[in-house]
Amino acid sequence: DAGVIQSPRHEVTEMGQEVTLRCKPISGHNSLFWYRQTMMRGLELLIYFNNNVPIDDSGMPEDRFSAKMPNASFSTLKIQPSEPRDSAVYFCASSFGMTSGYNEQFFGPGTRLTVL
Amino acid sequence: KNQVEQSPQSLIILEGKNCTLQCNYTVSPFSNLRWYKQDTGRGPVSLTIMTFSENTKSNGRYTATLDADTKQSSLHITASQLSDSASYICVVSGGGATNKLIFGTGTLLAVQP
Repeated sequence: DAGVIQSPRHEVTEMGQEVTLRCKPISGHNSLFWYRQTMMRGLELLIYFNNNVPIDDSGMPEDRFSAKMPNASFSTLKIQPSEPRDSAVYFCASSFGMTSGYNEQFFGPGTRLTVL
Repeated sequence: KNQVEQSPQSLIILEGKNCTLQCNYTVSPFSNLRWYKQDTGRGPVSLTIMTFSENTKSNGRYTATLDADTKQSSLHITASQLSDSASYICVVSGGGATNKLIFGTGTLLAVQP
């Protein structure tokens, strides 16, 4: 298995532009998680899906952020309009089941976003 | 407030030495505690997962302990190698309906030759 796949790996954009990050979870996994990592705040959970349904989006910073999971093999995280403070590394992770018990999460390589 | 605190923030040790990283949490309810290793420029990789009833778990040279009464965990690395240089993140799953993960800010470990 190729693991969790994210694209692009790096994105540089200007303030005000729309940014779309993409994630392909590991085949067979039914939970998908979007995280943001910065030096100041570490890793933060933005939103997670179970069976393609958003379960908890309380970590989404504001209305400029939206996430979708149209099917079991694809998810997007969109920022519109982007701002410099959105600069961070965004990780996608997947697991079989929720975060209870021994359900291990597998992380993708991340997308490094820079908003100028 | 649910929090996970790690210490030290950073640590430098010589190759071959042992070290112990600490994690204190105030998350309630508690489901499980995880330690992740994150190499520079990569996503975190799970080292151990422990539930309430477990007080120790090993993964090669890594041994994690959990004291659910005092809400403390430690990660002990034995005979460190240069490849152990990474950030180590303690994560607590909060249980309940959403099992939300609460992350520590990590300990940055540098192993020097």
